[in-house]
Amino acid sequence: SAVISQKPSRDICQRGTSLTIQCQVDSQVTMMFWYRQQPGQSLTLIATANQGSEATYESGFVIDKFPISRPNLTFSTLTVSNMSPEDSSIYLCSAPVGTGNTEAFFGQGTRLTVV
Amino acid sequence: EDKVVQSPLSLVVHEGDTVTLNCSYEVTNFRSLLWYKQEKKAPTFLFMLTSSGIEKKSGRLSSILDKKELFSILNITATQTGDSAIYLCAVVMNTGFQKLVFGTGTRLLVSP
Repeated sequence: SAVISQKPSRDICQRGTSLTIQCQVDSQVTMMFWYRQQPGQSLTLIATANQGSEATYESGFVIDKFPISRPNLTFSTLTVSNMSPEDSSIYLCSAPVGTGNTEAFFGQGTRLTVV
Repeated sequence: EDKVVQSPLSLVVHEGDTVTLNCSYEVTNFRSLLWYKQEKKAPTFLFMLTSSGIEKKSGRLSSILDKKELFSILNITATQTGDSAIYLCAVVMNTGFQKLVFGTGTRLLVSP
């Protein structure tokens, strides 16, 4: 298994501000993923973060709203920009590890509330 | 569109009962199926299933995959209150990015 440290654990933010979430993996991984889980919903992939190249965003998510950095093989950040109450969610990072890199482990999650 | 559907959406059982959670999928490029338990924020990995008909087992939990009928089940025997959680299944796509498509989740409540 892998240890993925994510912070902050939770935050309450004013609308219009931005929050950067950090994710640190205890081993080098090629891909890291960022998910959003809105209240009562399942996980939705925001983007795939590749080291050394631009992140790949899923339909409905754009770089201006969710800029991602991936400076090295163990670290990534997701910024939620110009927040509104609709951005209140749990944000999760994950990395594939294990045989064939198909066992995805998750960080502890960030519970974001926008007021 | 790739889709993963879980049933039931929620379930209430008594301690000691056995439960079966279902996960069906329609995806274009299947690689494997994962089960997770989510109690607070972070999903905890339970099983990875790649081949049909091979049961994975861990204590009171077991799971099996049917790639012909495109579904998987997660069984929990002798349930305990600590099993109360949301159970998520996710399909790993064979896109080279190990992209996961998550199901809707089943919320299980085990009452004493």
